[in-house]
Formats: sequence, structure tokens, C-alpha cells
Amino acid sequence: NAGVTQTPKFRVLKTGQSMTLLCAQDMNHEYMYWYRQDPGMGLRLIHYSVGEGTTAKGEVPDGYNVSRLKKQNFLLGLESAAPSQTSVYFCASSPTARPQESQYFGPGTRLLVL
Amino acid sequence: SQKIEQNSEALNIQEGKTATLTCNYTNYSPAYLQWYRQDPGRGPVFLLLIRENEKEKRKERLKVTFDTTLKQSLFHITASQPADSATYLCAHRTSGTYKYIFGTGTRLKVLA
Repeated sequence: NAGVTQTPKFRVLKTGQSMTLLCAQDMNHEYMYWYRQDPGMGLRLIHYSVGEGTTAKGEVPDGYNVSRLKKQNFLLGLESAAPSQTSVYFCASSPTARPQESQYFGPGTRLLVL
Repeated sequence: SQKIEQNSEALNIQEGKTATLTCNYTNYSPAYLQWYRQDPGRGPVFLLLIRENEKEKRKERLKVTFDTTLKQSLFHITASQPADSATYLCAHRTSGTYKYIFGTGTRLKVLA
């Protein structure tokens, strides 16, 4: 099993450009998450999904959109990138809603917005 | 609001010593606390889970304690090795929600 994979690994954007980050998991997990990680801020939840076709806002959703058309994929979109969106983005998944369930993380996407 | 706090200062220790990392939580009482390891350029990896009614949990050289009176969890690595150098995150998932709350992590460096 590949676990959680993310595409691309690194990207440079100009202000105002758009892009989509792809997350895929092959563990048949119901729950998927997008985080951003910035120095001193820790992991902050952007959006999450509790199942195919459903999405919900997290802590810092502004400027991002998501879609979960297939259970195994969770896409994060930036419609008009801003320098404040320079960050490392992590996708994660978990199998159930139980509070003792851990998360499985992807390797991250490093995004630089100029 | 629910908050998890970890010491943001890096912890440097000598190889062979025991490293102790702290996780404090405020404004709530988590039923479970999780600990993750994150290496530079990689995603966090789950290490251990402890329940509120467990005082201590062990896995090889790792030990986690949970003190609900102090609202604190301690993460210990005994006989530390340079390969243990990483950032360690504590996290909590509230029952009834789907979200996880993470601390900012503590960077550990084990000196040879």
C-alpha cells in the first residue's frame, strides 16, 4: 500500500495564479483532511471531509476550496494564490470517527507564492 | 477554546539520556491524547495513544504519561539515540467531532 500520497511535492506560483493539490489514499479511509503547517503555528486544519461527496470548513478555510468526488481522492484548490498561502500543505486520512483513531499523513506539498 | 501547548523551544540532550517532552491542554479534558513524530520534510507519523484512565503507556523505548489533575501528558524517550532527533507533536481528537487539535511540536536533538 502506498498510504497517503500528495501531488505535487513542490510548486512555485505567482500571486493570482490558481492551482490544485491532489491527495490520494489507498486505505479505504472515510475521513480526509487538509492542513497547512507554518513555523511556530503548528498544523492548522483548512478543510476536511467525512465521506465521499461531503466537505466541511476547518480552522483556516478562506482562500481555499476542496472537493471529494471519489472516496480515495481529496483535492485542495487555490483560486487566486496570495503570498500568505506560502506554506507546507499536508493531507491526512483516518478510517473512522472514533476519538482514539490516529491520522495517516502524506509527505506534504511545499508551496511558494511570489 | 480547546488548546494544546507544547514547549516551542528545542530540546538538546546527550545520547543515552532520557528525553522528556511536555504537552499541556487547557479548557477541556480529552479522553485520549496522541503523540506523533515528524522528521524534516515529511508528514507526521503516529507513535502512541494514551487514554485518560491510563496513567502510563509504553512502547519499546517510548513512554507516555497522562496526568488529568495537572492537565498534562509527558513523552519520554529512554536511552535516546541521534536517530530520535525529530519534532514531536501531541494531538487530541474531541469525541463527537471529526477534527484533530495539534500542538505546535517540540524539536528534539540528540547529540552524539
